[in-house]
Amino acid sequence: EAGVAQSPRYKIIEKRQSVAFWCNPISGHATLYWYQQILGQGPKLLIQFQNNGVVDDSQLPKDRFSAERLKGVDSTLKIQPAKLEDSAVYLCASSGRDLRTVRGRNEQFFGPGTRLTVL
Amino acid sequence: AQKVTQAQTEISVVEKEDVTLDCVYETRDTTYYLFWYKQPPSGELVFLIRRNSFDEQNEISGRYSWNFQKSTSSFNFTITASQVVDSAVYFCALSVQGAQKLVFGQGTRLTINP
Repeated sequence: EAGVAQSPRYKIIEKRQSVAFWCNPISGHATLYWYQQILGQGPKLLIQFQNNGVVDDSQLPKDRFSAERLKGVDSTLKIQPAKLEDSAVYLCASSGRDLRTVRGRNEQFFGPGTRLTVL
Repeated sequence: AQKVTQAQTEISVVEKEDVTLDCVYETRDTTYYLFWYKQPPSGELVFLIRRNSFDEQNEISGRYSWNFQKSTSSFNFTITASQVVDSAVYFCALSVQGAQKLVFGQGTRLTINP
């Protein structure tokens, strides 16, 4: 079974430039998450989608960050304009109900991440 | 609000030693889930285990074991007979009923030396 796909893997930009990241979740997973992981820290949730609706974007810096999941499958995260402090790894994860069990399982499966460096 | 604390920033041991990674969590919710993830140098987070708040049974999977104690709000992870391939950053995380987002600790960098 294919895992969560992300691209690009690495991106270097200058401050005030724009950048976009793409994520394709595991097939059938309704919930998609974007996390930001600053060096030396644990991941922090930026935004959570359930199908194509936003569930939680309380920690998304909305003045510069935006995300969409138009068809409820893949998603893009954009930063415009980037700041030095946006340098981080951006992780995408997905989760879905396991139909083989009585209860849904909420394990999140992560992609390889996009390492962003802002100069 | 939820919080996860991993007080050990870095641990270094010699191969075949046993090592325990500590995790302390805070939440007012009575239904919650605890997780451990491994992040090898490649960067991808690998799921290791999930525990719900109503199941305090310890779990063993090969060389890995987990000790969940609600009385001390701890969910510690032990690797027995460590191997070089266990070298990674390990994260403890928490989610609560109704909110699937994970709240992560700062992580513990584990180095196993040959």
